Amino acid sequence: GAGVSQSPSNKVTEKGKDVELRCDPISGHTALYWYRQSLGQGLEFLIYFQGNSAPDKSGLPSDRFSAERTGGSVSTLTIQRTQQEDSAVYLCASSLKQRDIGYTFGSGTRLTVV
Amino acid sequence: AQSVTQLGSHVSVSEGALVLLRCNYSSSVPPYLFWYVQYPNQGLQLLLKYTSAATLVKGINGFEAEFKKSETSFHLTKPSAHMSDAAEYFCAVSERGYSTLTFGKGTMLLVSP
Repeated sequence: GAGVSQSPSNKVTEKGKDVELRCDPISGHTALYWYRQSLGQGLEFLIYFQGNSAPDKSGLPSDRFSAERTGGSVSTLTIQRTQQEDSAVYLCASSLKQRDIGYTFGSGTRLTVV
Repeated sequence: AQSVTQLGSHVSVSEGALVLLRCNYSSSVPPYLFWYVQYPNQGLQLLLKYTSAATLVKGINGFEAEFKKSETSFHLTKPSAHMSDAAEYFCAVSERGYSTLTFGKGTMLLVSP
């Protein structure tokens, strides 16, 4: 596609439920990133995928968070047993290659945990 | 470790006035620096980036920023504000050789007629 596509755009879930957020990067982009944007914390790095390398998970806030990237393209961010503090906008970005840092962001998924 | 400080969570200007959004960074190694803009309910759009070439960087929509190593600053300017510039602006830093970004808290630019 022309841009980074994220779905759903909005998600409301009950505390304790699991959620999956999807990111479809720009075709051909080998690097994919997840960031979280919340009122209290601003923009935080979560996880980074580059090609077939092991992902950089250093930003994941807890073991309830995980992500995978299948076939080097689509990525899914999973949050298990959601908590109210997980409420945020989850942004995905992609770039053409490693260390190409002017990457393109998607519009995000707004997650609300009630 | 690296960090970014944006002075002022909100900046108000009149249409046609100079826009100045301040950003100071801290980095233990030479940094890459960025400005992103975010319109309501949208993702972040790259305005400009500094990656060690010219210290004065020109971006889209008439914005520019100057890297000043001695002041550890990367302030964003635009000579004449337009109503369409109203948005939230984020400064970010990355260590060279690494592609993850550390963002500032953001500055909301308000433009009045």
